[in-house]
Amino acid sequence: KAGVTQTPRYLIKTRGQQVTLSCSPISGHRSVSWYQQTPGQGLQFLFEYFSETQRNKGNFPGRFSGRQFSNSRSEMNVSTLELGDSALYLCASGTGLAGGPNEQFFGPGTRLTVL
Amino acid sequence: AQTVTQSQPEMSVQEAETVTLSCTYDTSESDYYLFWYKQPPSRQMILVIRQEAYKQQNATENRFSVNFQKAAKSFSLKISDSQLGDAAMYFCAYRSARNNAGNMLTFGGGTRLMVKP
Repeated sequence: KAGVTQTPRYLIKTRGQQVTLSCSPISGHRSVSWYQQTPGQGLQFLFEYFSETQRNKGNFPGRFSGRQFSNSRSEMNVSTLELGDSALYLCASGTGLAGGPNEQFFGPGTRLTVL
Repeated sequence: AQTVTQSQPEMSVQEAETVTLSCTYDTSESDYYLFWYKQPPSRQMILVIRQEAYKQQNATENRFSVNFQKAAKSFSLKISDSQLGDAAMYFCAYRSARNNAGNMLTFGGGTRLMVKP
């Protein structure tokens, strides 16, 4: 099975711009979660999508949004970029079924730099 | 809200020796899952081991084992026969077992493990 893929791998934007990141989960997985990783704040949960619906949301401003398509691929969008949005954005894929530890598989991440 | 704390920002171990990474968590829930993830320099997060809170037996995966103390809310990772490839950031993570919690993971701050040849 192919692993979780994220595109692009690296991105450089300037303040005020917007950006869209993409995540393709493992085939058959219906849950996609997004995390932001920074040296200062560590790993923080952004949101999770399951079967095209947002199931959970972390404590991030409304500039951060996401969606999931019928093929389970997910995108996250950040509008009006700020310097503090520079981070590694990780996507995790899982079955999302209730019960059980439901192992999640992470993608390689997208490194976003805001100048 | 749950919190996860890793009190050791950095640890060092000699190759072939044993090292233990600490993790404590705070929760009011009785059913949950705990995980240790490894993040090497490539940044790809890899699941090392997991533990279901309702299981008293400590999980083991080859050279990796945990010491799960539910009452103390402690979940430490022991790496035996350390290898150079074990050098990485290690994250402890918590996930609620509530149906509406989904797959949300709460991570600790991480411990950087260095392995000396």
